Amino acid sequence: AQTVTQSQPEMSVQEAETVTLSCTYDTSENNYYLFWYKQPPSRQMILVIRQEAYKQQNATENRFSVNFQKAAKSFSLKISDSQLGDTAMYFCAFMKRQRIQGAQKLVFGQGTRLTINP
Amino acid sequence: SAVISQKPSRDICQRGTSLTIQCQVDSQVTMMFWYRQQPGQSLTLIATANQGSEATYESGFVIDKFPISRPNLTFSTLTVSNMSPEDSSIYLCSDGGGMNTEAFFGQGTRLTVV
Repeated sequence: AQTVTQSQPEMSVQEAETVTLSCTYDTSENNYYLFWYKQPPSRQMILVIRQEAYKQQNATENRFSVNFQKAAKSFSLKISDSQLGDTAMYFCAFMKRQRIQGAQKLVFGQGTRLTINP
Repeated sequence: SAVISQKPSRDICQRGTSLTIQCQVDSQVTMMFWYRQQPGQSLTLIATANQGSEATYESGFVIDKFPISRPNLTFSTLTVSNMSPEDSSIYLCSDGGGMNTEAFFGQGTRLTVV
């Protein structure tokens, strides 16, 4: 079974600062995906970024980037130039990759509540 | 990208009653996933729903408490039966990502049992 651990329950930074959220996971799978989802107070789950385990290059989406260390099973999220709208719960999630693409369940970490202060 | 409409968005229910939550997807999906998010907690998978077959439940969740229907490839319902205050949570449905691997979610249902 897979497990995902986020060791930072809460974080708080000033607007425009850079913040890094930590995530570690445990799996015996070799092919999988990792995700960071954002959940603002509206409850909507929003995909921030995803990483395919077989790709060595770290994923980047505008101000969001990851540091994916496969051997260490670590998947941290860096938010640069943080904005007030980044305030939300952030969840790290794991999904197995099937040879035939199909829907898979997500295994979530406990979440990190991030607050961006003006 | 898939759009998943979930309703109701919130409800306050009396203990002992049941609530049915609906999810409508704007495209056909093979499987749908139902998650529970207890207050201040992460998302935990309740069950996986395939069209035309019985849902598969995760450990700790049973069909009598959380019956699921999947009448076609764009629609699913989750019923929370015989509710108690411990059932107060956010319930979310998801399409599981399909071919694109990104999973889309409904807006969530905030359930409060009094």
